[in-house]
Amino acid sequence: QVQLQESGPGLVKPSQTLSLTCTVSGGSISSGSYYWSWIRQPAGKGLEWIGRIYTSGSTNYNPSLKSRVTISVDTSKNQFSLKLSSVTAADTAVYYCARWRTSGYYFDYWGQGTLVTVSS
Amino acid sequence: NFMLTQPHSVSESPGKTVTISCTRSSGSIASNYVQWYQQRPGSSPTTVIYEDNQRPSGVPDRFSGSIDSSSNSASLTISGLKTEDEADYYCQSYDSSNWVFGGGTKLTVL
Repeated sequence: QVQLQESGPGLVKPSQTLSLTCTVSGGSISSGSYYWSWIRQPAGKGLEWIGRIYTSGSTNYNPSLKSRVTISVDTSKNQFSLKLSSVTAADTAVYYCARWRTSGYYFDYWGQGTLVTVSS
Repeated sequence: NFMLTQPHSVSESPGKTVTISCTRSSGSIASNYVQWYQQRPGSSPTTVIYEDNQRPSGVPDRFSGSIDSSSNSASLTISGLKTEDEADYYCQSYDSSNWVFGGGTKLTVL
């Protein structure tokens, strides 16, 4: 059973960089054909796709966040990471990592989510 | 980029049938698969429909999905409503390189 777990600081100051890691267990991040993705959800609001990284390492980002986002993968640690720069209060949200399968297109595994608050 | 528009909320009684719509703003709804996710309060989303009308294993057949090219929209239908179906539902689709979620619909079963 694949499991995803987000980790990182719960509080980030405005203008700084938000950094989160998603640790994958129960399967290798580099095997199979999957997209590893970050999604966020402000309190009381809907889901927003942030970006994804493919097994090969190629990335795609939400155009509205593209200038501030970097997603990377560390296959040796079975982890992938999110960096979001120049954060403001509008970036306060629960951040989820999730796996998208390409045989049957959908997010089949999600992390439990981690709340990141941007405040001084 | 395109948008997916959902009604903010719907409500229906237990045992009845409810349909939630998801309208694509540009590009054909039929050109890329639509997925539907259920999110209960305090929980991560789970998939109830993928590839327009497919159910992952474990999802009851009370959940069904469809697309309508004439209205450029997708629909999630839940029949035989149960109180446990009360949740937020999100549609999701994509284009060449971007994934997009609808704004979500709060389903109240009362």
